[in-house]
Amino acid sequence: GAVVSQHPSWVICKSGTSVKIECRSLDFQATTMFWYRQFPKQSLMLMATSNEGSKATYEQGVEKDKFLINHASLTLSTLTVTSAHPEDSSFYICSAKVLLAVTDTQYFGPGTRLTVL
Amino acid sequence: DQQVKQNSPSLSVQEGRISILNCDYTNSMFDYFLWYKKYPAEGPTFLISISSIKDKNEDGRFTVFLNKSAKHLSLHIVPSQPGDSAVYFCAASVYNFGNEKLTFGTGTRLTIIP
Repeated sequence: GAVVSQHPSWVICKSGTSVKIECRSLDFQATTMFWYRQFPKQSLMLMATSNEGSKATYEQGVEKDKFLINHASLTLSTLTVTSAHPEDSSFYICSAKVLLAVTDTQYFGPGTRLTVL
Repeated sequence: DQQVKQNSPSLSVQEGRISILNCDYTNSMFDYFLWYKKYPAEGPTFLISISSIKDKNEDGRFTVFLNKSAKHLSLHIVPSQPGDSAVYFCAASVYNFGNEKLTFGTGTRLTIIP
């Protein structure tokens, strides 16, 4: 099946530093990747849609200068949390759509737990 | 505005019985629906999906029913097994030339009692 990996699986950083999270589709090509954020006991909230070779589309209320997304290849998208603050602590999950898939099934990575001290 | 709703935050079912998880939506433009299973600190795992042109889709122990007039879908798991204990999210999307994004419900925590 379609496998998506994320790295790192967890990260602890100091306030004011930047953190980069990688999302890779391991056995398929993905023109579109998505980044979600999940707060404890809440639903997944879409942050942005990332298309290979173009700028990401951010959801309303998501600061694009704070959450930098780069989709450099058909198998890799990165999310950089810039100048992280404690309120950015959350569980970040990426997903990917199979290239040319006729359905909307997204395959999710295992998530990255970010803790900002 | 919660376009996809799962009104039951939790559900407990005896092992071997049927688990029924419900989901309601308000956006009539949604044309594809999915169910995901999620364990703590992990990403969601795709379970089953259904297109709006169908009213039922079955895959092993999992069956999804769609009632478009009621804007309601449900996931049936039978027989329920202890490994089914997890949080289940329903999700919906609108076809947008490959740029579809999923709108998730708030999830239902299913506990299977041995």
